[in-house]
Amino acid sequence: GEDVEQSLFLSVREGDSSVINCTYTDSSSTYLYWYKQEPGAGLQLLTYIFSNMDMKQDQRLTVLLNKKDKHLSLRIADTQTGDSAIYFCAEKRAKYTGTASKLTFGTGTRLQVTL
Amino acid sequence: EAGVVQSPRYKIIEKKQPVAFWCNPISGHNTLYWYRQNLGQGPELLIRYENEEAVDDSQLPKDRFSAERLKGVDSTLKIQPAELGDSAVYLCASSLGSSNTDTQYFGPGTRLTVL
Repeated sequence: GEDVEQSLFLSVREGDSSVINCTYTDSSSTYLYWYKQEPGAGLQLLTYIFSNMDMKQDQRLTVLLNKKDKHLSLRIADTQTGDSAIYFCAEKRAKYTGTASKLTFGTGTRLQVTL
Repeated sequence: EAGVVQSPRYKIIEKKQPVAFWCNPISGHNTLYWYRQNLGQGPELLIRYENEEAVDDSQLPKDRFSAERLKGVDSTLKIQPAELGDSAVYLCASSLGSSNTDTQYFGPGTRLTVL
């Protein structure tokens, strides 16, 4: 399909790991991103992965990429209450001539961290 | 270093009125983007500038929306006249260039409510 898909909601307990999943659309997408949006704020870039990588780790964040299934995931270890936000995955599609930097976003996953 | 600056942060207008949003990108960033984010959705690209030139405006509703970036730095997005369906958050982003390796940085957005 043409839509980047994410589940709408995830609830985890503080200290547990969170896994947020995303299915993207374009097998030629070169970069895939995770952004965080807190209430009333813009999008904050968390991490990104190049399409020739399977995994990228950055402190508490681990990104896994399965190109065959066009599946991207973000794992947050030791989730804290400050991690509560909406998380967007985005793909940089290269299929459109002249729009090599076009980002297509998913609908976002709201992460709720409970005590 | 200052991030992407947008103003106003909030705007409430009646339908059929005009409205304008302003964006100041990160210093040195040549590429500027305007996105619209509807409630519960991810951002969607409206227009992308490389310096002064609009290189991708295919998603901009040109009957009522206009944008400019006269000196290749600040940008203004205008809606005239506004409709109820224009209620959304309008996000500005900037990047160094538009190649696949360039990361987009977002401003806090302008939340528009059309009554």
